Amino acid sequence: DGGITQSPKYLFRKEGQNVTLSCEQNLNHDAMYWYRQDPGQGLRLIYYSQIVNDFQKGDIAEGYSVSREKKESFPLTVTSAQKNPTAFYLCASAGTGGTFGAKNIQYFGAGTRLSVL
Amino acid sequence: GEDVEQSLFLSVREGDSSVINCTYTDSSSTYLYWYKQEPGAGLQLLTYIFSNMDMKQDQRLTVLLNKKDKHLSLRIADTQTGDSAIYFCAESFSGNTPLVFGKGTRLSVIA
Repeated sequence: DGGITQSPKYLFRKEGQNVTLSCEQNLNHDAMYWYRQDPGQGLRLIYYSQIVNDFQKGDIAEGYSVSREKKESFPLTVTSAQKNPTAFYLCASAGTGGTFGAKNIQYFGAGTRLSVL
Repeated sequence: GEDVEQSLFLSVREGDSSVINCTYTDSSSTYLYWYKQEPGAGLQLLTYIFSNMDMKQDQRLTVLLNKKDKHLSLRIADTQTGDSAIYFCAESFSGNTPLVFGKGTRLSVIA
């Protein structure tokens, strides 16, 4: 069953701690994305990667870091420099595979909710 | 810059049609999308339309695109209580460039 898996579903961060959110896809998509969702704010782009070993900053990259060592994986690290990390984080991927079958449609994972202790 | 605007709330009676509207500013947008988000869940792609199309219909869903006015709408026929959710309009220049989202329209369906 193809799709995008985000883990964990819930995550708690202590002050000064780095935490890593996992995103894995088995759709053979080239492009992957991280968005942050705050209440009433819609989704904002953190980082994206269109190919392995390459990624670009989005609108709100400060305090976050990513890597793209494998096509199927795009983990997001929320560093201690991110002073307001409480939010819902959504990972997406885009390519030819997926339910709609059309080229380069973006599909989303179920999200990770991050809270600060 | 890019911007996508949606009204924040819509309330309809069960069985009626719902129309959710969206305006966008980037005339180079090639793909326009409608996503649905239920509480605590990720985004589910409902439908999309290419900028060279005026209309797309998929079962109860009808998407209308007025490219001149940069206006997109989603019509849900025979709205059901299960349609209650937040609906996001989004645009992108090409299918694998990042999406620009509106803030979402919360649809409430009254039984």
